[in-house]
Amino acid sequence: SQTIHQWPATLVQPVGSPLSLECTVEGTSNPNLYWYRQAAGRGLQLLFYSVGIGQISSEVPQNLSASRPQDRQFILSSKKLLLSDSGFYLCAWSTPGGVRNEKLFFGSGTQLSVL
Amino acid sequence: ILNVEQSPQSLHVQEGDSTNFTCSFPSSNFYALHWYRWETAKSPEALFVMTLNGDEKKKGRISATLNTKEGYSYLYIKGSQPEDSATYLCASTSGTYKYIFGTGTRLKVLA
Repeated sequence: SQTIHQWPATLVQPVGSPLSLECTVEGTSNPNLYWYRQAAGRGLQLLFYSVGIGQISSEVPQNLSASRPQDRQFILSSKKLLLSDSGFYLCAWSTPGGVRNEKLFFGSGTQLSVL
Repeated sequence: ILNVEQSPQSLHVQEGDSTNFTCSFPSSNFYALHWYRWETAKSPEALFVMTLNGDEKKKGRISATLNTKEGYSYLYIKGSQPEDSATYLCASTSGTYKYIFGTGTRLKVLA
C-alpha cells in the first residue's frame, strides 16, 4: 500500500533562517506531488506541484521554492524565512500519470512558526 | 466565479440534525470536484470525487450532489453525530493538474 511521510511535524525558526521540509511517498511510482499551505484562518493554498522529476510548477510568487530530486521525494525550501511564511504546510500526492479526477492523499503536515 | 468558494464558513448543529454546505466553483474547463474531510490533528481525507453533471455520491450518512453547468456542489450530512465534527473542504480541478481548494466549512456537532 502507498504511504506518505512528511517531516518535521513542527518547526520554529527565526526570521531570515533557511527552511527545508521533506516529503516522501512509498508504494507508487511517478506520483504527482503537491505542496499546500494553510495560513491562519484561511483555506489550503496551492504552492507547488510536480508531475515528474525535476518538473516543478509554481503557483504563487513567494519566498519559497520546491525541488523533486528523486521520483518520490518532494522538498520545500527557503533561503531566508519571512514572518509571513508561518503556517501549516501539507504535502500530498495523487495517482501517477496525472488523471485529474484522482483523489489527493495528504501527509501529516508541518506547523511552521517563524519568529 | 474565479475561485472555489464555500459557505457557510462555520456551522454549529445539534446531534441528530441534518445539515448541508455549498461549494461554488468555476464551471468553465471543469474536470472534477472533490470533497475532503479534515479532522483535528489528522490529515484531510477524500470523501467524494465527482465528474459528471448530476452526479450524486453517498457514503453512510454523507452525500453530495454536483451541478457542473451552474458550478456548485452540495454536501449533506443526515443525522449529524459528534464524530462528524471536522472541516469539510471542496476542491476543483480543471484543465491542469491543479487542485484548487475552497476555504472550508468548519462543522461542530454538539452532543
